[in-house]
Order: sequence, then C-alpha cells, then structure tokens
Amino acid sequence: DAGITQSPRHKVTETGTPVTLRCHQTENHRYMYWYRQDPGHGLRLIHYSYGVKDTDKGEVSDGYSVSRSKTEDFLLTLESATSSQTSVYFCAISGGVAGTDTQYFGPGTRLTVL
Amino acid sequence: RKEVEQDPGPFNVPEGATVAFNCTYSNSASQSFFWYRQDCRKEPKLLMSVYSSGNEDGRFTAQLNRASQYISLLIRDSKLSDSATYLCVVNDFGNEKLTFGTGTRLTIIP
Repeated sequence: DAGITQSPRHKVTETGTPVTLRCHQTENHRYMYWYRQDPGHGLRLIHYSYGVKDTDKGEVSDGYSVSRSKTEDFLLTLESATSSQTSVYFCAISGGVAGTDTQYFGPGTRLTVL
Repeated sequence: RKEVEQDPGPFNVPEGATVAFNCTYSNSASQSFFWYRQDCRKEPKLLMSVYSSGNEDGRFTAQLNRASQYISLLIRDSKLSDSATYLCVVNDFGNEKLTFGTGTRLTIIP
C-alpha cells in the first residue's frame, strides 16, 4: 500500500468553525489531490498540487483552500465549515513509477458539520 | 450528460458466476482508463488500467472500445471477496486530473 496517511480520520464540528485536514505521504510523489465523495456524485476534485507551493482548483473548490509547504504534506482548510461540506474527504497522490495519471488514495477523513 | 457514466446497480450475482460492467465516457480525447475498486467505508484502490488492446489480470478482463467510447470490466468465477463498488475512471491527455464515475455496486451471493 502507498504510504499515505490522513488526519484526523473522523471529525465532528459546528457550522462556522475552521477545519484543517492533513494528508501526509512518504512516497515523494509530486502530485497530491483532495477529493470529496458524496452519494450520487462519486469522487469530485476539490484542489490539487503539482509541486511545493503549486496548487490549482478542481471542480468543487468553493469554500476550500489548500497549502503545500513540503512535498510530503498537503493541507485542506475549510475556513468556515457549512453543513454542505459534510462528506468523506480523500487525499490521493501520483507521479511515481506508475505514471502521473495513476493515483493512490489515503484512508479518508469522515467530516460531519452540524 | 455526465462525463463518465456507470450503471449504479446493485448487481447481485451468485458465487462462481461471470459478471460484466460497462462504462461510457463523453470526451473522445480521453487517453487513460482505469478500474478502481472501493470497499464499503474504505478508500478506492486501483484494480487495473485499461489498454487499447484489452488486458487481463487473473479473473479480471478489461476492454476499451474507443469508437463507441466505452470500457468494460469482466469478472469470471466471482468470489465473495469481489463484493465491492467498482469505479470507472478516465484521464484526459496531458492532464493529471481523473474523472470518476459514480460506481457500480456488486454483491456476490453465496
């Protein structure tokens, strides 16, 4: 299994509070991604990174920001959480020997916003 | 129209049977194709890449039909452990981003 961890694994928070999710990899892969998964929508890309300090928006980026100060860490921040951001969040990485388009996923973070 | 479409199922199949899933994609410029498997409350895991010539990995066979813009996954001699959701995934050329289908849920019945 790819060396990807996410923290926290579960979180319950209240509307309006800031939340930061962390993704950590030990594979030295260049690309990192944040997805959310909701019933009926499948996996949707929030933001991704193609290198340290290099990030770009995905299809559902509103309300989210990211930062990548080190190759191994990619942070996802909800500045002011809303109930619509209740979801399962997955981090993924790519850029190893399998190629840039083969992604490996972390175990996920289950976030509930009350 | 969704970029990647799959029959959501569920498919309930007896153990030992053969089951096939199809997936259609809308972007004719798509270059890379994959099947991922996702167990309940777990992360997606790469099952296999799909090549133009078709490819096989044990009991699993993947096919690509570019003219009709669909990919398929065939599972032979299904096992109870094959019960999962199967995600069809497409990548556009020169783009590191993947587009995921919503998945097809498979349950193998003893």
